[in-house]
Amino acid sequence: DAKTTQPTSMDCAEGRAANLPCNHSTISGNEYVYWYRQIHSQGPQYIIHGLKNNETNEMASLIITEDRKSSTLILPHATLRDTAVYYCIVRVYTGNQFYFGTGTSLTVIP
Amino acid sequence: EAGVVQSPRYKIIEKKQPVAFWCNPISGHNTLYWYRQNLGQGPELLIRYENEEAVDDSQLPKDRFSAERLKGVDSTLKIQPAELGDSAVYLCASSQPGGADEQFFGPGTRLTVL
Repeated sequence: DAKTTQPTSMDCAEGRAANLPCNHSTISGNEYVYWYRQIHSQGPQYIIHGLKNNETNEMASLIITEDRKSSTLILPHATLRDTAVYYCIVRVYTGNQFYFGTGTSLTVIP
Repeated sequence: EAGVVQSPRYKIIEKKQPVAFWCNPISGHNTLYWYRQNLGQGPELLIRYENEEAVDDSQLPKDRFSAERLKGVDSTLKIQPAELGDSAVYLCASSQPGGADEQFFGPGTRLTVL
């Protein structure tokens, strides 16, 4: 049970912002939203996580709606190296396993 | 700092043969995970260790799969005997206590069972 819904695939032009949506309508109050990505033939890589406030780091920004039922991962200036499968995951902070689902396959187009 | 190390990177075996995968987590990471990733799917947790204790092995097919982390550092995942449906990528990850519980993944072992 992945507990999240993501589009199967998306395209983005190089240099433009990539906005990846995620629905998590059954999220509980103590569950965080995590984003990972997996570049072909590599293991998943952590990007960012948040509870209810918007978060930003050197890789991306995470926007969580006020009702916490959905979120958007923003890659501000997509490059070809951002082509990957992006997984949105909800989980309690520690102790529970990650449910990766099938993710969104993002293709950055030159 | 070295990341999570896994070996071998690729393994081809015939069905009914045994196979083992090895993982060395990042130094100081107490938690170690084994995942299986089928083609076109996200990773699925097989087992999670806290130090040398398996705290979640509910998804591990115990009839043919086994794992160990004897000294709480490196770990081995074994399949005996392998079946055609075991063909997948086996990923190891580790995390440190506290903080964001960010999991660091190794490159995985791609298993092909013929």
